[in-house]
Amino acid sequence: SQTIHQWPATLVQPVGSPLSLECTVEGTSNPNLYWYRQAAGRGLQLLFYSVGIGQISSEVPQNLSASRPQDRQFILSSKKLLLSDSGFYLCAWSASLSSGSGGNTIYFGEGSWLTVV
Amino acid sequence: GENVGLHLPTLSVQEGDNSIINCAYSNSASDYFIWYKQESGKGPQFIIDIRSNMDKRQGQRVTVLLNKTVKHLSLQIAATQPGDSAVYFCAEKKTYKYIFGTGTRLKVLA
Repeated sequence: SQTIHQWPATLVQPVGSPLSLECTVEGTSNPNLYWYRQAAGRGLQLLFYSVGIGQISSEVPQNLSASRPQDRQFILSSKKLLLSDSGFYLCAWSASLSSGSGGNTIYFGEGSWLTVV
Repeated sequence: GENVGLHLPTLSVQEGDNSIINCAYSNSASDYFIWYKQESGKGPQFIIDIRSNMDKRQGQRVTVLLNKTVKHLSLQIAATQPGDSAVYFCAEKKTYKYIFGTGTRLKVLA
């Protein structure tokens, strides 16, 4: 079965410090990968998605970036965090259309709480 | 622009009653819709989905209805239980992107 892991689960970082959140998926190949952010008590905002290694699409201009160095690894980064970057970050995956599994449902990890102080 | 929104931010339901959570979407090109349940501090969990060529789909205690004429999606939960208390999101899929609404909090009253 497929699983998704992201870490760290909780992070407290000072303003201006760098950020690296990691996400890996197991049990599938060539997944579509996603980073979402959720502010407290709010909905999910799509930040980045990737349909293959090295292919990143950005949805919202910001000081965050994403990279996909391996097929099942997705990293969210920042060089200098802002207070407004605080939130709940969710990594997610869906099967690629070429996998033959339908590729419609998106599955989420357990999330990473980021507090910028 | 694209928008998936919910009519009610909070819904309080008596235990044992049926719950109906509504969602309006604006992108008629979306081909797939999903409902998720999110408990506090956790990632959203898949509940049920429906393709745009369907108008109703049933699962265990849940039913999703899709009205493409008025771009409306609803989630019905039968015999609501305390464990159903959570935030519920609808989402629409267009090609690779999944766009989520702002969510509805369901409170189950004992």
